[in-house]
Amino acid sequence: AAGVIQSPRHLIKEKRETATLKCYPIPRHDTVYWYQQGPGQDPQFLISFYEKMQSDKGIIPDRFSAQQFSDYHSELNMSSLELGDSALYFCASSLGRRGALGGYTFGSGTRLTVV
Amino acid sequence: TQLLEQSPQFLSIQEGENLTVYCNSSSVFSSLQWYRQEPGEGPVLLVTVVTGGEVKKLKRLTFQFGDARKDSSLHITAAQPGDTGLYLCAGGDRDDKIIFGKGTRLHILP
Repeated sequence: AAGVIQSPRHLIKEKRETATLKCYPIPRHDTVYWYQQGPGQDPQFLISFYEKMQSDKGIIPDRFSAQQFSDYHSELNMSSLELGDSALYFCASSLGRRGALGGYTFGSGTRLTVV
Repeated sequence: TQLLEQSPQFLSIQEGENLTVYCNSSSVFSSLQWYRQEPGEGPVLLVTVVTGGEVKKLKRLTFQFGDARKDSSLHITAAQPGDTGLYLCAGGDRDDKIIFGKGTRLHILP
């Protein structure tokens, strides 16, 4: 079965550069969630989209922005990268805003390293 | 702010032993979920519990949701090295997003 696809799997950027992370949800899933997981930390919610509209926002730096496109894929744009942005970034998808009941399907993540 | 506390944070036991990990909160959740995460990979959903007092079994894993829907436990019988990983509990909040606990790192020694 198709899963959540994230690209790239690994990304190395220098400080102050820009990064774009992509997430392709499971077919027919219309809701996408982004999480950030630092080393040894639990995943922290960043932002979510439902039907191409932002549905919820966590603690997300102003340097980060995201959107969901007409084909339901989502992109997380990160500018003026800082060393502290180094983390695993996970995307999850669900059908409707039912992640809390049905559970999320997570992608394998993008490991971002800022040097 | 709804918080989930997991205990223990770390657990290392011998293969064949039984173990229980806990997930507690002072808040009521619409659902609780358990995920297992391997290093460098995304969390994989194991189970979702919705009804207070609900018990679900997944082979050697038994999950229970507290009657008041504020806590949950995961019991593993006859642990195997393949059970090693980070176990995350997560609660569905009022806004339908999921909040994670900090996880229990489980290491099963062969």
